[in-house]
Amino acid sequence: DIQMTQSPSTLSASVGDRVVITCRASQSISNWLAWYQQKPGKAPNLLIYKASGLESGVPSRFSGSGSGTEFTLTINSLQPDDFATYYCQQYNTYSWTFGQGTKVEIK
Amino acid sequence: EVQLVESGGGLVKPGGSLRLSCAASGFTFNTYSMNWVRQAPGKGLEWVSSISGSSTYIYYAASVKGRFTISRDNAKNSLYLQMNSLRVEDTAVYYCARVQLTMVGGVHVFSPTGPWGQGTLVTVSS
Repeated sequence: DIQMTQSPSTLSASVGDRVVITCRASQSISNWLAWYQQKPGKAPNLLIYKASGLESGVPSRFSGSGSGTEFTLTINSLQPDDFATYYCQQYNTYSWTFGQGTKVEIK
Repeated sequence: EVQLVESGGGLVKPGGSLRLSCAASGFTFNTYSMNWVRQAPGKGLEWVSSISGSSTYIYYAASVKGRFTISRDNAKNSLYLQMNSLRVEDTAVYYCARVQLTMVGGVHVFSPTGPWGQGTLVTVSS
């Protein structure tokens, strides 16, 4: 199975900050990577697909990059609504695997 | 508007069975594959199973293979997950998700496409 490792596990930031979350795959997954935002008690919400594609309706302050084994999610000018947990997910094979999550907290 | 609504969760004893349903609306159901994903309380996300639009291709996570069965009824725009021989470690919120199946280099790729359902909680406890 392909393992996904996110860093950091927790991130403290302030409104207006630029935030970068990293995701590393245990083997090359080309660009078959998605990013999700999840708030407590809610379903994950798709933000980014195919490493850098912005899902419809998602604010442009979210962006994704990378290919192969190294990927990043960047949030420019963090907004109050962005405090949540973020997951990366690979879909290079029929089975999905997720990173362990990065919790973005208010500093 | 794409909508997925799960139901059927509840409290069941170890060794018991439960059938989850996911009602889909707002899109042409039979042209999309579907996934089940679960999340144990306070934990991360775990893929459970995938099914193609015509049910030709079906996949399971090793942790549920032989115990869970995914199925769909395209006439009813519904997805199902029959869960047998339930274990305490199956306790989780179960989500259904719409996906798009493509073939890449001879391998099936299920790409995420939009919103998930709100989830249904399954608790396995004596």
